[in-house]
Formats: sequence, structure tokens, C-alpha cells
Amino acid sequence: QQPVQSPQAVILREGEDAVINCSSSKALYSVHWYRQKHGEAPVFLMILLKGGEQKGHEKISASFNEKKQQSSLYLTASQLSYSGTYFCGTEMRNTDKLIFGTGTRLQVFP
Amino acid sequence: EAQVTQNPRYLITVTGKKLTVTCSQNMNHEYMSWYRQDPGLGLRQIYYSMNVEVTDKGDVPEGYKVSRKEKRNFPLILESPSPNQTSLYFCASSPPPSSYNEQFFGPGTRLTVL
Repeated sequence: QQPVQSPQAVILREGEDAVINCSSSKALYSVHWYRQKHGEAPVFLMILLKGGEQKGHEKISASFNEKKQQSSLYLTASQLSYSGTYFCGTEMRNTDKLIFGTGTRLQVFP
Repeated sequence: EAQVTQNPRYLITVTGKKLTVTCSQNMNHEYMSWYRQDPGLGLRQIYYSMNVEVTDKGDVPEGYKVSRKEKRNFPLILESPSPNQTSLYFCASSPPPSSYNEQFFGPGTRLTVL
């Protein structure tokens, strides 16, 4: 039931792009994305709802493919501040339970 | 300042000694939740609460208890802690429904059970 994230880890140089994927075996109602810096609490990035549009936040955007039960997070022209672990959280309709994936560790180097 | 607070932030205890981790939020949120974070396993939900006196099990509730007597507080109770409950714990809150509202996380409590 826990969504699967891929890749597990990504290493980038500043300015490079990355894609993080989140897949579920269950029909999803919403997908949340959070970023966690080492030793800190997860911080909200965005939510995508079933039937909703692709969302964006500065150079970070995401999409939600309802038919495939997949979401992808796109990081464009990565910055050092993008380093951290990214988690997707998935929720099925009427469950009020947010289930997080195992995380993708992203490291951006100068 | 809108925030979720947890206490204590660090705790080392011994097997079997009952403990409580407190969680409080000042945003008047109905929804509150507890997660544990372990390496390679991500964030796993322990319990959640939709409102006062309404709680439900998450994915890993064994060995934990919660209560929601007041809207702002959602304590996590370990009646008889064991070493496999050594973990990093996060409390979170959000307005309902959780589907399309961000969750605000507390700073975390690092628990070690010897």
C-alpha cells in the first residue's frame, strides 16, 4: 500500500534537472509532495488532486497521471537548496489517511 | 507564530518504562497525526485524529496509544516501550480534509529505547 518512489537517490550538479516518480497500486485521490532537510521536519511543496492540473512552485513542478496512479516531481535547473529527501504522500478517496513513500534522497553539488 | 510543538525533542529511556510525547498546535486544526520515521522506510503513520475524541489507527499502531481530549493536543503514549520503537517521531496537523490541505509538521522527537 505504501507508494513506491524512484529513484532512491539522485546526485546532481547545480543547474541540472531531475525527475522523481511516485507510483501506487491503488486508485488515488490526491498526491502530496514534501521535502525534508537533514535533521528537520518535512516541509510541504504541493498537492495534486485527481482531475486537477499540473502544479508548479518556482522551478519545481509536478504532474499526476490518474490512469497510471503515478505522480512525477520535476526539478528544473537545480539549486544547492534543493538538496534533501523528497517524499510523496498518497491518499485514496474517503480514507483521510496519507501514506508516504520511502523517500528519494537528492544531493546537489556546486 | 503558527506552529506544531513536540516535547521532549530527545528522549533516552529503558524498556518497559511508560512515556508520553506531547504534541500541541495553535492553528485550530481538526486533523492531527503521528508518524514514525526509520531509515529506508520513510514516514509511517501511527495514529490520526479527525477531531476531538475521534481517533483511528494508521499503518503501524501496535505498541502505541493516543488520546484527543482537546483540539490542540494529541499526545502519543508508549505504555511499555521496546527497542524496536527507537525512532524519530513527528506530529502533524492540518485543516480538514487532509486530501487537499498541507500538513504542518512538528520538529520531531528522537526516541531511543535501551
